[in-house]
Amino acid sequence: EVLLVESGGGLVQRGGSLRLSCAASGFTFSRYSMNWVRQAPGKGLEWISYISSDSNTVYYADSVRGRLTISRDNGKESLYLQMSSLRDEDTAVYYCASSKWELNAKWVFDSWGQGTRVTVSS
Amino acid sequence: DIQMTQSPSLSASVGDRVTITCRASQSIGSYLNWYQQKPGKPPKLLIYGASTLQSGVPSRFGGSGSGSAFTLTISSLEPDDFAAYYCQQTDSVPWTFGQGTKVEVK
Repeated sequence: EVLLVESGGGLVQRGGSLRLSCAASGFTFSRYSMNWVRQAPGKGLEWISYISSDSNTVYYADSVRGRLTISRDNGKESLYLQMSSLRDEDTAVYYCASSKWELNAKWVFDSWGQGTRVTVSS
Repeated sequence: DIQMTQSPSLSASVGDRVTITCRASQSIGSYLNWYQQKPGKPPKLLIYGASTLQSGVPSRFGGSGSGSAFTLTISSLEPDDFAAYYCQQTDSVPWTFGQGTKVEVK
């Protein structure tokens, strides 16, 4: 069974830093690209970052570029999101999601973790 | 960035045929996925490539469309289907979601 478990969320002051983790099991983590997707309270889903299986390719949404850094450790089967210069609008539940390539769909986010909540407070 | 537009909500009854629409601000081919989300839970993949049913998803769910107009259809609504539904384009980065359509009890 595929399992993605996020951790590291919590209450942080505006301008502060936080590191989120996502532990993977039940599949060959090193073969999958990974993503972070967030959801602000009462709002929709926002994709924020992607990392390829070999870490050679990363993408960021404009809203987080320069402040958030995605990384992974295939030996530890873990995904990370280093967050800095946090703003009020970064308050959200953060999900990690695996993505697979399908010829008729390009990227498909097929498995999701339960999420970890980040609250930015002044 | 490609903008994805969905109607915010719709009301329906068990047994109804439900259609949820999603429109892209530009053509995205068939690079459109659909997810279901229930309160306090992560999204669940339903449909990818506009019309391919994800393994394990009931056959009452179907997807269609290409270019900039897409539809998710639930052929006969069941109690477990009251939820929010999101479309997502993966044609180009940043991969964007619609704002979600909440299917509510009529």
